Amino acid sequence: DAEITQSPRHKITETGRQVTLACHQTWNHNNMFWYRQDLGHGLRLIHYSYGVQDTNKGEVSDGYSVSRSNTEDLPLTLESAASSQTSVYFCASSEPGQPQYFGPGTRLTVL
Amino acid sequence: RKEVEQDPGPFNVPEGATVAFNCTYSNSASQSFFWYRQDCRKEPKLLMSVYSSGNEDGRFTAQLNRASQYISLLIRDSKLSDSATYLCVVTSPNGNKLVFGAGTILRVKS
Repeated sequence: DAEITQSPRHKITETGRQVTLACHQTWNHNNMFWYRQDLGHGLRLIHYSYGVQDTNKGEVSDGYSVSRSNTEDLPLTLESAASSQTSVYFCASSEPGQPQYFGPGTRLTVL
Repeated sequence: RKEVEQDPGPFNVPEGATVAFNCTYSNSASQSFFWYRQDCRKEPKLLMSVYSSGNEDGRFTAQLNRASQYISLLIRDSKLSDSATYLCVVTSPNGNKLVFGAGTILRVKS
C-alpha cells in the first residue's frame, strides 16, 4: 500500500545544530508539503514543492530549507536549530486540487 | 482576519447527541473544501470532502454555502470515538495548497 513516512519520529537536539527531518512518500504525488503545529496556531505551512527541483516558501519559512531531488522525498533542514523551532512537524503529499495525506509527524525538541 | 475561522470549542456532548460545527473562509476564489479529523498527538486525516450540493457519509453531513463562504459539519448520534479535533480546510485558488482552520475540539462523554 502507498504511504507517507517521516523519520525520526522523535528528536532532541541542541540550539545551533543543523537538523534534517526526512519525508518519504510512495503515492507518486507531485505535491509535497511541510507544516509545523503548535498549540494555539494550528497547522502552519513551512515549505512546499510542486515537483522535482521545485521548492517554495510557506508562511513560516525562516530558518528552514528544503530540496526536491526526486518525486518521493522532501527533506526539511533546520540550518541552526532554535528553541522557537520546538514543535511537531508534519509532512504531507497530494495531487493538485486533491486532499493531502499526512505522515505520522516528527516531534522535535530544541534545548 | 484569518483565512479560515472556526469556533475552537470545546464542544462537550453526551453520547447520542447531534453536534454541528461551523467554519467561515475569506477567499471567495477557494475551489475545494474538506473536513479533517485529528486525534491527540496524531496526524490529521481526511474525514470528508465538502461539495456544493452537500454530502453525507454515514452519521456525518457536510454543507457548503459559497455565497456566505460558510462550511458546516453535522455529526449525528455521537460516539465516544468521535472525540477529536475537527479541522476545516479550504484550498488556495490554484487548488494546490491547503489552508487550515485552527480546529474545533469535540469531547463526547458517556
